[in-house]
Amino acid sequence: QKEVEQDPGPLSVPEGAIVSLNCTYSNSAFQYFMWYRQYSRKGPELLMYTYSSGNKEDGRFTAQVDKSSKYISLFIRDSQPSDSATYLCAMILISSGSARQLTFGSGTQLTVLP
Amino acid sequence: ETGVTQSPTHLIKTRGQQVTLRCSSQSGHNTVSWYQQALGQGPQFIFQYYREEENGRGNFPPRFSGLQFPNYSSELNVNALELDDSALYLCASSPDRGPSPLHFGNGTRLTVT
Repeated sequence: QKEVEQDPGPLSVPEGAIVSLNCTYSNSAFQYFMWYRQYSRKGPELLMYTYSSGNKEDGRFTAQVDKSSKYISLFIRDSQPSDSATYLCAMILISSGSARQLTFGSGTQLTVLP
Repeated sequence: ETGVTQSPTHLIKTRGQQVTLRCSSQSGHNTVSWYQQALGQGPQFIFQYYREEENGRGNFPPRFSGLQFPNYSSELNVNALELDDSALYLCASSPDRGPSPLHFGNGTRLTVT
């Protein structure tokens, strides 16, 4: 079993839809949570970074963390064709010492249709 | 722009050869990490350098090695290339060792034939 599970999709939605992307994890030592967006032939781009359980909003994006359920989500409101990309969740072990080792999900491929 | 640049963008090598990939970080970014991303997968942690010393390593064999230089540049070296080494290699940097998020370059696409 992978430490971080993410539905690979692909997910296809019409423009303007609300998108929900999710990851589950097995290690309760994960304390910091991130969402990255990766366009084709590009590196991952940081979208959201959270520490505590609850919601964090940034424009059309909302990150949600539920540590008791070991479940994180990213919501995209009013989705646009430019949101079409692969979305990666990532987590950091607080006990990893001096190395900041990110553990990633496998990514969800999202297509927003005009 | 993240301020992390990688070269070359693409590279084709033959099995058994050696390869060096390069990364240039922002000034002041003392931590650099390297990740391997196979097609359709999330990035996998290779190792991290802080102030020119390796201070963390993932589940990769010793033929994966690195260097970090005082001018905020770094290298990833892979010896005895195998077909499974074909992947996107990503470099990420940050100003410290804490849990602040990493910012990635656009990677080097390595193909081993």
